[in-house]
Parts: sequence; C-alpha cells; structure tokens
Amino acid sequence: GQQVMQIPQYQHVQEGEDFTTYCNSSTTLSNIQWYKQRPGGHPVFLIQLVKSGEVKKQKRLTFQFGEAKKNSSLHITATQTTDVGTYFCAVTYSGNTPLVFGKGTRLSVIA
Amino acid sequence: ETGVTQTPRHLVMGMTNKKSLKCEQHLGHNAMYWYKQSAKKPLELMFVYSLEERVENNSVPSRFSPECPNSSHLFLHLHTLQPEDSALYLCASSQSWDSNEKLFFGSGTQLSVL
Repeated sequence: GQQVMQIPQYQHVQEGEDFTTYCNSSTTLSNIQWYKQRPGGHPVFLIQLVKSGEVKKQKRLTFQFGEAKKNSSLHITATQTTDVGTYFCAVTYSGNTPLVFGKGTRLSVIA
Repeated sequence: ETGVTQTPRHLVMGMTNKKSLKCEQHLGHNAMYWYKQSAKKPLELMFVYSLEERVENNSVPSRFSPECPNSSHLFLHLHTLQPEDSALYLCASSQSWDSNEKLFFGSGTQLSVL
C-alpha cells in the first residue's frame, strides 16, 4: 500500500531550540492532518491542511503544505518541555480513502 | 477527555483466551474505527464502521472480530491471539466517514498476549 515518509524518527533538543518534522509522499495528497501523542497517551488532532502552499499557525507551531501537495512540515519555535511527544502526519491520497499515518517523529526536550 | 471511552485500559491474555475490547463515543459521531499501534510501526487501520455498517476491513486476521451494535458503541472480539498481536489498540470516531474529518481517539487498551 501507499506509504508516507516522516523524518526524522527521533529528535532531541535543548529547551528553547526550534524543532521541525517533515512528511513526504511520492504521490500527490488530497489533504494532510497532524496529530500529537504524549508519552503514555493517545493521538490528539492538531491541524488539517488542504490547499497547495497552505500555512497555518497555532501559537509556536507552524504547519505548511507544499506547493505540489506532496510534502508537509511542522515547525515548533522555542520548544518547551510540554512539547514532548510523538508527532504524526496522516494523509489521504484521493477521494474518500482512509487516513494513512506516518511512523511519527518522537521529540525529546531537555530542560 | 476526548469523548471516546475505551475499556479495559490494560489486558493480559493467554493465546487460548477469548476477550473483548469495548469502545463508546459520546460525541454523536457516525463513524468509528479500530487502530493497532505497535512499536516502530505506523498506526494501522483495522476496521471502519459508518452508521453501524463496516466500510473498511484491512486484511485483518479472523482472530479479530469487530462488532458495531449502534453508532455509539464498538467492540473488538479477540480469540486465539498470537504474541505478535500484543499492542496498543485504539478506538477512534469522527463526524462522518469522510477523509476530511478529524479523528477523536480513546485512551486505548494496552494488550499483552502471553
């Protein structure tokens, strides 16, 4: 089946540093969603991107959808310990097809 | 609380046991899902129900049997599982069976098969 690549797999940062995770597909995407899962928790929806080149912001989080709708990024400015967790992208390729999740990027923040 | 409740939170079972996982959503959603989350693997979609009818079944072994008696409740019946079935089983719901809808996940059942 189709897969979406998410990189990096792990990221360790000092508190206050920035963090970026990338989601890449070889096939054009219909839309992309981002989720966060805290350690021991469950995935929680963050945002959905639909339009080519779309940029959305949530406080220190910036989400981008590539012009070709094949990639996306999540950038966190000045990380805090509360940002710790695994960030997943989830994509749909066409029509009413199920979401396909990436493997996630696990973020550790060192105080 | 996300409005999606799963029980039990933890389950240990032998390979010959029969058990069931339960999920209930209080959000008035029409679609419910079972996902499997294993270490080092992406979230795997197992089953999707829309208005109590199964619309997606991703080649899941028959030892996993879903049941959706109404739009608020979803069960996953387990029998003769294998150790490799040990994982976190997550239930989710969405407003409708539509790729643009966001998923609301329950807290999951951590399953260990001995």
